[in-house]
Amino acid sequence: GQQVQQSPASLVLQEGENAELQCNFSTSLNSMQWFYQRPEGSLVSLFYNPSGTKQSGRLTSTTVIKERRSSLHISSSQITDSGTYLCAMGNYAQGLTFGLGTRVSVFP
Amino acid sequence: EAAVTQSPRNKVAVTGGKVTLSCNQTNNHNNMYWYRQDTGHGLRLIHYSYGAGSTEKGDIPDGYKASRPSQENFSLILELATPSQTSVYFCASGDAGGEDTQYFGPGTRLLVL
Repeated sequence: GQQVQQSPASLVLQEGENAELQCNFSTSLNSMQWFYQRPEGSLVSLFYNPSGTKQSGRLTSTTVIKERRSSLHISSSQITDSGTYLCAMGNYAQGLTFGLGTRVSVFP
Repeated sequence: EAAVTQSPRNKVAVTGGKVTLSCNQTNNHNNMYWYRQDTGHGLRLIHYSYGAGSTEKGDIPDGYKASRPSQENFSLILELATPSQTSVYFCASGDAGGEDTQYFGPGTRLLVL
């Protein structure tokens, strides 16, 4: 079956530092998304990015289909970036397969 | 912003009891999904639906039923709850128009004693 692997499992940052989160897929990529899970548990969609590069504020997602990987770059991290970042592959027709996430902690 | 709501937000049930988790979306999306999230497993798909009257099995459907009586509502039913079904359950809605993304509800914490 499909497998989604995320690294690192956790990350500690000092405010202002940059970070790179990785997501690797064991099967051919048909669609991928990045989500942010707040400390209290709610999920927010960050990017739908099946290929190429997308940017939203301080977040940049890059997906390379032939290498079966996607990355999420956080620039100038802030305390409010703390939480868990999840990547998922799949589509609206059949649901998503999620990775275990990267827990990010940003300290002043 | 898309809106998906879930009820109850917290639930304590007894082993062998029946539990119904409800989900409502105001996005007019055709597709709805139920996931559970457990430490060490991430989010896993239980059931999904393409529209009113349809339900499909996801990756871990055993022990669960689903019901989609209308476009807006999608329920997850545990006929005989077991402690292994203690988890956080998320409902989501989605469609393929434009961005193929899913919008999630706030989650329901279920504890089965």
